[in-house]
Amino acid sequence: DTGVSQDPRHKITKRGQNVTFRCDPISEHNRLYWYRQTLGQGPEFLTYFQNEAQLEKSRLLSDRFSAERPKGSFSTLEIQRTEQGDSAMYLCASSLRRDVNTGELFFGEGSRLTVL
Amino acid sequence: QKEVEQNSGPLSVPEGAIASLNCTYSDRVSQSFFWYRQYSGKSPELIMSIYSNGDKEDGRFTAQLNKASQYVSLLIRDSQPSDSATYLCAVFNGYKLSFGAGTTVTVRA
Repeated sequence: DTGVSQDPRHKITKRGQNVTFRCDPISEHNRLYWYRQTLGQGPEFLTYFQNEAQLEKSRLLSDRFSAERPKGSFSTLEIQRTEQGDSAMYLCASSLRRDVNTGELFFGEGSRLTVL
Repeated sequence: QKEVEQNSGPLSVPEGAIASLNCTYSDRVSQSFFWYRQYSGKSPELIMSIYSNGDKEDGRFTAQLNKASQYVSLLIRDSQPSDSATYLCAVFNGYKLSFGAGTTVTVRA
């Protein structure tokens, strides 16, 4: 399968713990995005990479959140000192930068985080 | 003001009817426009893209774009029970895709 893959699919943690999610994009895609989605809402932009460069971060992204994409391949999203408000589905998506079609994002199945 | 707003749902239509979904956006420099379908518990799936004013048809789906009015719509003709899902309008501004909250559609058999 050559789609976007995310790991783990589900994570339950206690408040204050750190968690890390991994995303493997479609191999030829150079843009990688992280979104967060809560029940009844659309996905909310967190950050994106073009190759290994992190080009934009949402102002909503607190200092407890950090993302990396070493060597422009897979990406990780780490949340430090988790809070109950961090409970959400974390979605990774990738796209190929070419003209207007760049907005065609392909999503992974998501990583659902529950903070107790 | 939200970047992307969709008509409030949920929307319930009988099988075979037309479902009409609407969306407005605030950023006039938006370049491209998309509709994603999201089944319960699943991730969003791209179903339509539209880049210029007018209509674009793909099977039972028709997207309409009016940049002057900052308005995008999606029509689902001959609605089927399998169309029951949340439909997300998304607008691309050059680096990020902004989503509306979604409209949940239920097709009654």
